[in-house]
Amino acid sequence: AQSVTQLGSHVSVSEGALVLLRCNYSSSVPPYLFWYVQYPNQGLQLLLKYTSAATLVKGINGFEAEFKKSETSFHLTKPSAHMSDAAEYFCAVTRGDSSYKLIFGSGTRLLVRP
Amino acid sequence: DAGVIQSPRHEVTEMGQEVTLRCKPISGHNSLFWYRQTMMRGLELLIYFNNNVPIDDSGMPEDRFSAKMPNASFSTLKIQPSEPRDSAVYFCASSSDRLNTEAFFGQGTRLTVV
Repeated sequence: AQSVTQLGSHVSVSEGALVLLRCNYSSSVPPYLFWYVQYPNQGLQLLLKYTSAATLVKGINGFEAEFKKSETSFHLTKPSAHMSDAAEYFCAVTRGDSSYKLIFGSGTRLLVRP
Repeated sequence: DAGVIQSPRHEVTEMGQEVTLRCKPISGHNSLFWYRQTMMRGLELLIYFNNNVPIDDSGMPEDRFSAKMPNASFSTLKIQPSEPRDSAVYFCASSSDRLNTEAFFGQGTRLTVV
């Protein structure tokens, strides 16, 4: 069965600092991986996705993630945090076969200090 | 397209009452998902439909929960009878039948059972 593990339920960074949110996946078949962001009282919005084309994926708002098969990881990074990045971030996985079921990690809440 | 539309946005009901949540997926999407989000359990997949057929309902908590998708443009999630522990935000999401496509989320229904 597939799963994702997000290390750290809360991450706090200073404005302008590097953002690193960790995600490790487990999948018996090549996965498709996603990062979503959720702002308060809103639904989830896609940040970026990995679909086996390129291991380094660039998304919206300056975020990017690198797929590392050897480490079964898909960590999310942003070089310089902005106050508006404060939100909850979810990593998700779906199987790379005929299943479309999307499984989410437990989420990481990002706090950006001024 | 207006995106995934959920109604109502907020629902407050008394314990024991029946609650029906509604979802209109994005036109042309074949997959529909219902998720529940709570502080304690995070984002849980309740049920997944593909081409209006329930494919995986293993996440439905108990018999009090039921979901239907009578046609491609409408789905309901019903709780009968409702209990205080059902209080959560319920999200509906839809996606197309392409393996590398993301799910698009509605704004959610915040359910409070008192």
